Amino acid sequence: DQQVKQNSPSLSVQEGRISILNCDYTNSMFDYFLWYKKYPAEGPTFLISISSIKDKNEDGRFTVFLNKSAKHLSLHIVPSQPGDSAVYFCAAKGVWQGAQKLVFGQGTRLTINP
Amino acid sequence: KAGVTQTPRYLIKTRGQQVTLSCSPISGHRSVSWYQQTPGQGLQFLFEYFSETQRNKGNFPGRFSGRQFSNSRSEMNVSTLELGDSALYLCASSVGSNSNQPQHFGDGTRLSIL
Repeated sequence: DQQVKQNSPSLSVQEGRISILNCDYTNSMFDYFLWYKKYPAEGPTFLISISSIKDKNEDGRFTVFLNKSAKHLSLHIVPSQPGDSAVYFCAAKGVWQGAQKLVFGQGTRLTINP
Repeated sequence: KAGVTQTPRYLIKTRGQQVTLSCSPISGHRSVSWYQQTPGQGLQFLFEYFSETQRNKGNFPGRFSGRQFSNSRSEMNVSTLELGDSALYLCASSVGSNSNQPQHFGDGTRLSIL
């Protein structure tokens, strides 16, 4: 049962354009969402997060949008740069069954073309 | 401030053997989580330790076990290795177990089973 889904395994965007990465979740107990970025041979690094009480959080070129009714979040990167080429994981956090759980999606490989 | 350190970085084992992976969290971090990453599966949660106690466990067989020491360092053990255990094993640390502070990942141990 994949509670957090990233349905696009890969995405290719031209440099300077907007990159939009999508993530869907099924469990309504999730109340905090994060995006991580991963380069080859390195561990994931935290990028940006959003609480369920907000619908938007912005940090420089990165903006995360949350649509709770649709159980959907997206990461916008604008303008996209070659260094943004990486695998992006969304993650959702929530408390149920007496413990806090963090669930990751399968990842989307973003390629920025010059 | 030193990041999360995982040793070894690479490991080759054969079926039936056992392996121990090590993780040193960021100083001051008391929560350590372990994940398995395989192509197409994203990050699969193995378990979380906090103050030497296992707080959370994913859906992995009993061959996968772990422990945490008083200095918060953690080890993960896999016994009777199978070919399907070939993966990148990631360790992440955070300040506490039930907080919205993001986890910080190490660069992982790449385990190959022959």
